[in-house]
Order: sequence, then C-alpha cells, then structure tokens
Amino acid sequence: GENVEQHPSTLSVQEGDSAVIKCTYSDSASNYFPWYKQELGKGPQLIIDIRSNVGEKKDQRIAVTLNKTAKHFSLHITETQPEDSAVYFCAASRGSGYALNFGKGTSLLVTP
Amino acid sequence: ETGVTQSPTHLIKTRGQQVTLRCSSQSGHNTVSWYQQALGQGPQFIFQYYREEENGRGNFPPRFSGLQFPNYSSELNVNALELDDSALYLCASSSGGVGDEQFFGPGTRLTVL
Repeated sequence: GENVEQHPSTLSVQEGDSAVIKCTYSDSASNYFPWYKQELGKGPQLIIDIRSNVGEKKDQRIAVTLNKTAKHFSLHITETQPEDSAVYFCAASRGSGYALNFGKGTSLLVTP
Repeated sequence: ETGVTQSPTHLIKTRGQQVTLRCSSQSGHNTVSWYQQALGQGPQFIFQYYREEENGRGNFPPRFSGLQFPNYSSELNVNALELDDSALYLCASSSGGVGDEQFFGPGTRLTVL
C-alpha cells in the first residue's frame, strides 16, 4: 500500500519567516495530494491541494509543489504568522473514491 | 467550518464494551470516510461508504463496522473494545464522483479504560 513520509516532525520559525514541509510517497498511482492543518482539539482542515497534472499551486501565502518523477511534494508558507502554528499533514490518494494516506504530521510553531 | 458534524464529542468506555459514533455529512455529499487518529499520529483510513455501500476498507479488523443511511449520515460501530482503540475518530465527507476533496468533522475522542 501507499507509504507517505513527512519531514520535519517539528519546525520552529520566527514570525515573518518562511516554512517548508516535505513529503514523499511510494504509490506511483497516487494523483491527488492535499495538505491539512489541524489545530488542537479540532479536525483536520483542508488548506490546499494539488493534482498530478499540475507542478505548482499557490493560494496567497501558501504554495504546494509536486515532483511526480521523484515522488515528492512540499508545502511552502511565506510570511508566517503566529496563527499558522498548528500540526500540518500531507496526504496522498489515487483520487476520488480512494482513501487518503497521511504522513505523521509536522508541528509548526511560529514565534512572535 | 466544514458542515460535517460528529457526535458525541467525547466518550469513555471500558474494555470489551461496544460503541457507536455518528457523523452527518456536508450538504450535497454522498460519501463518508472514517479515520482513526492515535495521539501524535496521522489519521488512518478505516473504511468509506458511498451511497450506503462500503466502498473500500483499510487494515482494521471486522469488529470495526459501519453504516450509511439514505440521508448519507453514517455510523461507526466498534465491538469488543480494546485499550488501543483509544483515539480520535474522524469522519470526512466528499462528493464522491465529482471531486476528491474530503472535509473533516471535529472528531469524537474515545477513551477505553
């Protein structure tokens, strides 16, 4: 089955700096790669996603890049703010109707 | 807010008991997936229901079972609870064949003593 690895497990940055989280996947049939943000006591919130026919996608301060050949994808957050502090999960899926396979998460702390 | 609701929010059971968790999907969504999230881990896929039929299952034993109703709400049932079943149980709804996005509810925190 699909194996998703996520690094780093913890990340601490100063407000205004950039944060990068990286994931690799094993199933070459995976074609959908969402990122979720989970705050304490809440369910995961979808923040951005990318499909295999696209190499990069951006939404304001958040961007995701995908390298299908190398089977890795990354989340980039620019101009970080304290409210960006949370646990971030990457996931991979074969698409509609298939399970999401999650990484183990990255705990991001943005200090003022 | 995603519009996905779950009940109850917290639950405490003892080993060997049975539990039923409930999920109401987002309006217009016909697919519900259930995940188990142990402390400090990513969610693990339990199973998915599409139009009242099981549509895929992860590596969980048969004592984990589910139902989906005509209004697309869903239940997760766990029999013969074990200590390791203590976790956050998440349901996610999606529009099935239309898109891939899965939207999660707030979860039910199950503690097994």
